Amino acid sequence: DAKTTQPPSMDCAEGRAANLPCNHSTISGNEYVYWYRQIHSQGPQYIIHGLKNNETNEMASLIITEDRKSSTLILPHATLRDTAVYYCIVRVSGNTPLVFGKGTRLSVIA
Amino acid sequence: DAGVIQSPRHEVTEMGQEVTLRCKPISGHNSLFWYRQTMMRGLELLIYFNNNVPIDDSGMPEDRFSAKMPNASFSTLKIQPSEPRDSAVYFCASSFRLGGGEKLFFGSGTQLSVL
Repeated sequence: DAKTTQPPSMDCAEGRAANLPCNHSTISGNEYVYWYRQIHSQGPQYIIHGLKNNETNEMASLIITEDRKSSTLILPHATLRDTAVYYCIVRVSGNTPLVFGKGTRLSVIA
Repeated sequence: DAGVIQSPRHEVTEMGQEVTLRCKPISGHNSLFWYRQTMMRGLELLIYFNNNVPIDDSGMPEDRFSAKMPNASFSTLKIQPSEPRDSAVYFCASSFRLGGGEKLFFGSGTQLSVL
């Protein structure tokens, strides 16, 4: 069972920041927060992950609350190509599988 | 790096036939995962391997499904006999253990249609 809760869908205007929330209130101390996305007909693509601190890379920023019970993925300047299903996943370290929930379907609108 | 390579991209077969899906993980990766995706059930883990050894196959739906990893650079998922309800997109993913925060890299998937 997925350990996260995400809104089923969101819209975002092109060029604006997309803020995707995720609740993971039962997260354990050794579990990371991962974000993946799946563009139609493609395999899931890694975006970012974090344990406690906020993280930023070339794709996005990840903001994790101090109690680690929720997080937000930020796409700073959304483009039409960011339209996809975004999955928030909590996972312990090590080569364990990702357990996917239903994710958030983000639609970027021109 | 070519990424995770899956073949074939598309497979159409008739009920009762044997189907073999293939996966070549990223060189140097020591874990491999097989997933299945349908509209109804989303992305489901079928089985995964660490260092070529199957670790958890509890997601394999039935005895008709089997997976092997004879070496670090190749894995197969076989369905025998296939049924229409097996129609789905099958993804393979690989990762390398770093001691924390490992990323899974997915292939492009095999679209299987069983008629």
